[in-house]
Amino acid sequence: GQNIDQPTEMTATEGAIVQINCTYQTSGFNGLFWYQQHAGEAPTFLSYNVLDGLEEKGRFSSFLSRSKGYSYLLLKELQMKDSASYLCAVKSGGSYIPTFGRGTSLIVHP
Amino acid sequence: GAVVSQHPSRVICKSGTSVKIECRSLDFQATTMFWYRQFPKQSLMLMATSNEGSKATYEQGVEKDKFLINHASLTLSTLTVTSAHPEDSSFYICSARTGQGINQPQHFGDGTRLSIL
Repeated sequence: GQNIDQPTEMTATEGAIVQINCTYQTSGFNGLFWYQQHAGEAPTFLSYNVLDGLEEKGRFSSFLSRSKGYSYLLLKELQMKDSASYLCAVKSGGSYIPTFGRGTSLIVHP
Repeated sequence: GAVVSQHPSRVICKSGTSVKIECRSLDFQATTMFWYRQFPKQSLMLMATSNEGSKATYEQGVEKDKFLINHASLTLSTLTVTSAHPEDSSFYICSARTGQGINQPQHFGDGTRLSIL
């Protein structure tokens, strides 16, 4: 099975930078996704990492270290609309279906 | 971008009712769609993988006679919650992938909030 761990909740100030961590324990790792989910809505795709390193996409960046079983999502220049749940999802064992973590609820305040 | 439409967005009905939820890929064909269930502040839990033209693959612990899945075309999958009870109240979300590559992300529908009274 897989074990995916994320903080339950984080708060940050508008305009600041926040890092949301995700650790996982799995065999046969083959990719990690980050999704954003606003309350009552479906998740939307943010990023995908399969190799070690940082992937930058506008205000959002995602980092992966396979040897440490660790990823983070970095959000810069936070906006109020970034208040949402951020889901880490891991693929492993040759499956193309990821397993989702519980998500981190990010609250951005003025 | 890829669009997945899910309908209805919200259902409130009496215990014992059967409820059908539709999931459509609007601008692409999806041989495989996925059905998830999400309780408040919990993770997305995969219920089943819907395969066009064949039987769905259910995850362990999901009753296939309770949650009927039909994937009759390349753009439509339906989930029917039969004889729904209050414990079936949840947020149900479908998703589809635009390609077969292992790196393809999933595109999610807007979800259906099911409330059984």
